[in-house]
Amino acid sequence: EAGVAQSPRYKIIEKRQSVAFWCNPISGHATLYWYQQILGQGPKLLIQFQNNGVVDDSQLPKDRFSAERLKGVDSTLKIQPAKLEDSAVYLCASSLDRTGVPFFGSGTRLTVV
Amino acid sequence: GIQVEQSPPDLILQEGANSTLRCNFSDSVNNLQWFHQNPWGQLINLFYIPSGTKQNGRLSATTVATERYSLLYISSSQTTDSGVYFCAVDPHSSNTGKLIFGQGTTLQVKP
Repeated sequence: EAGVAQSPRYKIIEKRQSVAFWCNPISGHATLYWYQQILGQGPKLLIQFQNNGVVDDSQLPKDRFSAERLKGVDSTLKIQPAKLEDSAVYLCASSLDRTGVPFFGSGTRLTVV
Repeated sequence: GIQVEQSPPDLILQEGANSTLRCNFSDSVNNLQWFHQNPWGQLINLFYIPSGTKQNGRLSATTVATERYSLLYISSSQTTDSGVYFCAVDPHSSNTGKLIFGQGTTLQVKP
């Protein structure tokens, strides 16, 4: 069974530029999460989807971050414009449903210079 | 909001040694999980353990929900056990999947 796929693996951008990350969850998983992990900290939930609907985006900085999950499968997370403090690893995870154990992708390491 | 504190923050072991990692949480939870993040960043679920004790090979975990803590035991440690161990909780009244992670314990196992 394929795991959660994320791309790109690494991204370096200048501040005020925009960037997008892509996630393909495990087939059949209804719930999808985006987490932000700053160096030396635990992951922090940004947004949770159930199928193609947003369940919780209370921690998403909506003035610059946006996310969508088209057709309830793949998801993209966008940052526009990026700030230095957005430098982090962005992890995507999926689970069968909200009660299921999450499976994480390898993450996208973003560096904003 | 709920506080999740892990100890110790860092741990260095010789291969073959045993260790205990602790997770304290400040409020009641209905979901507690332990994760291992390997040196390449991959995060893997080890246990789903809101209460009681579970064992998986050399690893075991115990959660005492009434006293708001959980312990992760690693026996006969191996170099492949190196990485960061996270405790994560769902503090909501029903299981929402919205996990709050602790700061982690960084484990280094030396050969």
